[in-house]
This record gives sequence, C-alpha cells and structure tokens, in this order.
Amino acid sequence: GAGVSQSPSNKVTEKGKDVELRCDPISGHTALYWYRQSLGQGLEFLIYFQGNSAPDKSGLPSDRFSAERTGGSVSTLTIQRTQQEDSAVYLCASSSMLSGLQYFGPGTRLTVL
Amino acid sequence: KNEVEQSPQNLTAQEGEFITINCSYSVGISALHWLQQHPGGGIVSLFMLSSGKKKHGRLIATINIQEKHSSLHITASHPRDSAVYICAVRPPSRNYGGSQGNLIFGKGTKLSVKP
Repeated sequence: GAGVSQSPSNKVTEKGKDVELRCDPISGHTALYWYRQSLGQGLEFLIYFQGNSAPDKSGLPSDRFSAERTGGSVSTLTIQRTQQEDSAVYLCASSSMLSGLQYFGPGTRLTVL
Repeated sequence: KNEVEQSPQNLTAQEGEFITINCSYSVGISALHWLQQHPGGGIVSLFMLSSGKKKHGRLIATINIQEKHSSLHITASHPRDSAVYICAVRPPSRNYGGSQGNLIFGKGTKLSVKP
C-alpha cells in the first residue's frame, strides 16, 4: 500500500493478557516509530527503529513493553500482562533517511478491560 | 514545565480568518514538526523545518531558532481546517545515520473554524 498500515484497528482485551500490535511502514522507509496517545492526552514517544535495530527505547513505559522489527520492514509492538492504564491509541510512523518527515498510520485503539 | 509549549490551547475562528498557532520550546533541537490530527484521530505531517519558513497551500510555518519559537499560520481559514494542531521537536540527532530520533510533543491546539 501507499501509506503506513496498522493492525488491528481496534483491540479489546482482558487485563493480564498479552497483545501484539503490527505496523507496516511505507516501503523503503528505514526509520519506524511507535507512539501512544492516551485518552485526552498528548502523544508520547515509545520506541524508534533504524533498520532492524532500536537505538532509542527510552519511551517504553515498562519491561512489559517490547518491540521488534524484522527485514527492515514490519514491526510488532508487544505488551505483556496488559493493565488498564495501557489503554490508548498506539500509533506507528515511518520516515525515509532523506526527508525525515514522518508519515503516520491510522493507529490501533487498545482497550484493556 | 513542558519542554514544548503551545498556545493557545483552544482557538475558535470564523471562516476566512487568518489564524496563528504558536509553539515555544526549551530544548536544543535539530528540527521541528507541525502535525494535524483530525477529529477521527488520523495524523498528518504538515511541515518539518529547521530554519526559516515553509509554505504549503494556505499553510505557512516559520521558525526562529534563536528565540526557540515557531508559528503555524493558516490563511483564509475554512471549517475543514478544524483539527488539533501539534508541534513536536526533535532533539539533536545522535549517530543514528544522521537525521532521526524521537519527537517531543506539545499538547496541541484545538482549532474550530465556524462557517
């Protein structure tokens, strides 16, 4: 596709369950970012990938959060033992080395009951 | 104190008005982004700039590095411009291959343009 895609678009889970969120960046974009936006709050940086490596994980809120990127393309954000405070919209963005302009996906709305 | 401050928080304008949204930051930056978040939640990158001024259609973004301030202007505003406008700064790039790094976000300015 032409843009950044994310799946699922919505995820409802029970507290304590693990969830996986997927991001498909724009083809050829080497940089990939994960952000989250809690209800009524601003955007919060989680992690950044350059290729398959993550030079900046400073935004991950706890060790329950992890992310990987394979083949320099698709990325998966995993949240283990979900808590209610994890409920948010998780956004992925990608950018090329040349421009630096970030293109955002539509987000995954996660609700932890 | 937040590292990125936007003003105003909320702005209501009449169609056709000239609009200015301000962003001040307190950290060193390598670039500043302006984003638009539609009521449905989708985010669009409007501008990335590190100096001077950029223009795209009715939108103009300026930055003054010495004063650590940026403005987003909308000329001839229209109800479809109603959205949250977010300023974000990128700290100086570390050795990531030159140009990348995380963004620090302002809390956004909610703009409503009335017909």
